[in-house]
Amino acid sequence: AQTVTQSQPEMSVQEAETVTLSCTYDTSESDYYLFWYKQPPSRQMILVIRQEAYKQQNATENRFSVNFQKAAKSFSLKISDSQLGDAAMYFCAYRKSNNFGNEKLTFGTGTRLTIIP
Amino acid sequence: DSGVTQTPKHLITATGQRVTLRCSPRSGDLSVYWYQQSLDQGLQFLIQYYNGEERAKGNILERFSAQQFPDLHSELNLSSLELGDSALYFCASSSPPLAGAHPDTQYFGPGTRLTVL
Repeated sequence: AQTVTQSQPEMSVQEAETVTLSCTYDTSESDYYLFWYKQPPSRQMILVIRQEAYKQQNATENRFSVNFQKAAKSFSLKISDSQLGDAAMYFCAYRKSNNFGNEKLTFGTGTRLTIIP
Repeated sequence: DSGVTQTPKHLITATGQRVTLRCSPRSGDLSVYWYQQSLDQGLQFLIQYYNGEERAKGNILERFSAQQFPDLHSELNLSSLELGDSALYFCASSSPPLAGAHPDTQYFGPGTRLTVL
């Protein structure tokens, strides 16, 4: 079974600085997707960024970028120029690719990010 | 706004009761997923429907059931409620394979917070 591990329960960063959240996963699959979701105090789950395992290029979305190391099964999220609105719980998630029939997401336990003004 | 709607936002009920949670997916999405977020279990996949048919089951209790209707909205029925069923229940939807910009990405609704007293 696939597992996703987030070893940092809490992180904090000064406003405007850069922070990296860690995620590792375990799978025997070669093709899959990885996601970072953000859950602010409103509890809404918001997609931050996604990565296809077959793509070597790391995904970026404005101030958010990932460092995807397939061999190491590592998928970290870098937030540049941190803003107060980035304060939230961040979840790393895994999904099998093209497994039509079961596309469930497996989530890590989350990292709570605090932004220090 | 993800385009996924869930009602009600909050639900308070007593042990032993039955409740129904409702979800409307994004326009065009055929897959609906239900997840449970609790303090002790984290985010767990419950069940997936695709175009009216059950596709996959996760850690869903026998007291829970779900269905997807011809108009693609879905309902999650929880019966014989126990204190431990108190949680945030999310619905997510995704577009069909090979359709849309990111058919493999799940977009979440705002959730229904269930409190069992």
